[in-house]
Amino acid sequence: EVQVLDSGGHLVQPGGSLRLSCAPSGFTFSFYAMTWVRQAPGKGLEWVSTIAYDGSTYYADSVKGRFTISRDNSKNTLYLQLNSLRAEDTAVYYCARGYYTYDHWGQGALVTVSS
Amino acid sequence: DVVMTQSPLSLPVTLGQPASISCRSSQSLVHSDENTYLNWFQQRPGQSPRRLISKVSNRDSGVPDRFSGSGSGTDFTLKISRVEAEDVGVYYCMQGTHWPRAFGQGTKVEIK
Repeated sequence: EVQVLDSGGHLVQPGGSLRLSCAPSGFTFSFYAMTWVRQAPGKGLEWVSTIAYDGSTYYADSVKGRFTISRDNSKNTLYLQLNSLRAEDTAVYYCARGYYTYDHWGQGALVTVSS
Repeated sequence: DVVMTQSPLSLPVTLGQPASISCRSSQSLVHSDENTYLNWFQQRPGQSPRRLISKVSNRDSGVPDRFSGSGSGTDFTLKISRVEAEDVGVYYCMQGTHWPRAFGQGTKVEIK
């Protein structure tokens, strides 16, 4: 059974940094692209970033230059480094498996950016 | 960037009646590999999103056959043949053809 586990919730000050992690299981992690999608409180889904199986990375303009997606295939873990955080980055961050489509999703990690 | 536009944004439905959600993209979603990467996701209250349909009309394992997807190019539809109470939630279309990826605004399905 495929499972995707996100890291827990976090409270960060504006301008601060944070690293989210995601540890999927039940499939060969290195074979798949992985993606982060976020959802601000009461809002819709927003694609954030994707890392392909070969390490190629893609970012939404809203996070480009501030967020970095990476993966450690030896640890079966996906990361999202969030820097220069703003209030508008407050959201639940979901880790999901896939490149063109997302077939398995984590439970989400709440990131709150507030002073 | 591709913009995904859903309608309606709110859909009150009577139990057992059909429901239909439209999704339009600002550009064709036909990929150079000839696939059309249009997906539909369901998000029940308090839950993570769940994929229902990929590549326009391919229903995921375990998704009831009352859900169906259709369309081509820039115009797509999700249909529920007979709405059940467990179908309450928000439905999103999403294009996986172009960068950046994009979701529609979401359609909230509720029971009348």
